[in-house]
Amino acid sequence: SQQGEEDPQALSIQEGENATMNCSYKTSINNLQWYRQNSGRGLVHLILIRSNEREKHSGRLRVTLDTSKKSSSLLITASRAADTASYFCATDSGTYKYIFGTGTRLKVLA
Amino acid sequence: DVKVTQSSRYLVKRTGEKVFLECVQDMDHENMFWYRQDPGLGLRLIYFSYDVKMKEKGDIPEGYSVSREKKERFSLILESASTNQTSMYLCASSLALAGNYEQYFGPGTRLTVT
Repeated sequence: SQQGEEDPQALSIQEGENATMNCSYKTSINNLQWYRQNSGRGLVHLILIRSNEREKHSGRLRVTLDTSKKSSSLLITASRAADTASYFCATDSGTYKYIFGTGTRLKVLA
Repeated sequence: DVKVTQSSRYLVKRTGEKVFLECVQDMDHENMFWYRQDPGLGLRLIYFSYDVKMKEKGDIPEGYSVSREKKERFSLILESASTNQTSMYLCASSLALAGNYEQYFGPGTRLTVT
């Protein structure tokens, strides 16, 4: 299976609510990144968290990393309709490439 | 503003045709990548390049080749397109191969092989 696997696969919430999605991975990592993909478009980088960091914020985004559990979570606070997208985690294990998960599809209802 | 562009948003080709997908970045990045994205499978790395004329296979290189003659341009070639190569193809670039660098993605090319 994929190195990074997001959970849930799909999430539907009301505008203004918080959205939480999780990523699990299998091997040790140097860092983990989250990306957003709007329908039919390329991916956009959101945030990077290093293996020695536990939490990171960027605007309405909060990312946590638990290396003992090999998992990360992305929290989007006060969600907006424009946050509707797929969200992917990508892990760097110190090799030449990032491993992307299968994504969480978030739908924010106005 | 950084930019990665791909030659086509949508492409329809016939089985057996030779297909070229072009990617250009304007960030002077050393590294460029080609992924394909399929429902339920996420992004899978086809090939990457860490310098002009240098290339490495990714996870699913079979049926593909690449060319990087100039730093800003990375081409993906389907030598003889097959229906199982119908997919979304994403190009990306980054300052470094790995480490604490983000990848910048193009808008993608949705290829249909009939």
